Amino acid sequence: DQQVKQNSPSLSVQEGRISILNCDYTNSMFDYFLWYKKYPAEGPTFLISISSIKDKNEDGRFTVFLNKSAKHLSLHIVPSQPGDSAVYFCAAWMAGTALIFGKGTTLSVSS
Amino acid sequence: DVKVTQSSRYLVKRTGEKVFLECVQDMDHENMFWYRQDPGLGLRLIYFSYDVKMKEKGDIPEGYSVSREKKERFSLILESASTNQTSMYLCASTPTTGAKPYGYTFGSGTRLTVV
Repeated sequence: DQQVKQNSPSLSVQEGRISILNCDYTNSMFDYFLWYKKYPAEGPTFLISISSIKDKNEDGRFTVFLNKSAKHLSLHIVPSQPGDSAVYFCAAWMAGTALIFGKGTTLSVSS
Repeated sequence: DVKVTQSSRYLVKRTGEKVFLECVQDMDHENMFWYRQDPGLGLRLIYFSYDVKMKEKGDIPEGYSVSREKKERFSLILESASTNQTSMYLCASTPTTGAKPYGYTFGSGTRLTVV
């Protein structure tokens, strides 16, 4: 049973526009949510995280929004750049466990 | 910078072979993990370890075992490789943080093909 869901396998955006990647979860006990970015033939790299007690966290062009009542989070990238083209994984964590990842969304940013 | 090193980038093995995937981290992290990545399935946890000689099953442990004899090294073992174990294998490590997770540091991955 999937606890972390990324329902959009792919997203295409033009350079300079906003990219919005979505993630849903089922377990209300998660303490933190994280986003990872992965290029082909490389390991995933940590991008940004948010505590379950917050509703927004911002880091440069990247902002993550959390809606606990809807069990939904989203990653906004503004403005999108061609170098942002990668697979983005949403992950959830609770104390004493390993990260649980979603299936990923492939973002393509065209110039 | 934390470095997680996986010994092989690409491996080709035959069905039925015993396969060892090695992972070494250089930052004294307590926690180490093995995931596999498959198209359309994301990252799935195979095994993890919170300390030397300790191991916990993840979501898909069948057909795999692990060994952690030293803190810096976490090995994944395919007891008898099968074609459905063809995948990208990713090792990760992180320190013990208590109430807040630090981002995992991943290795570059091992692309295993079983023929």
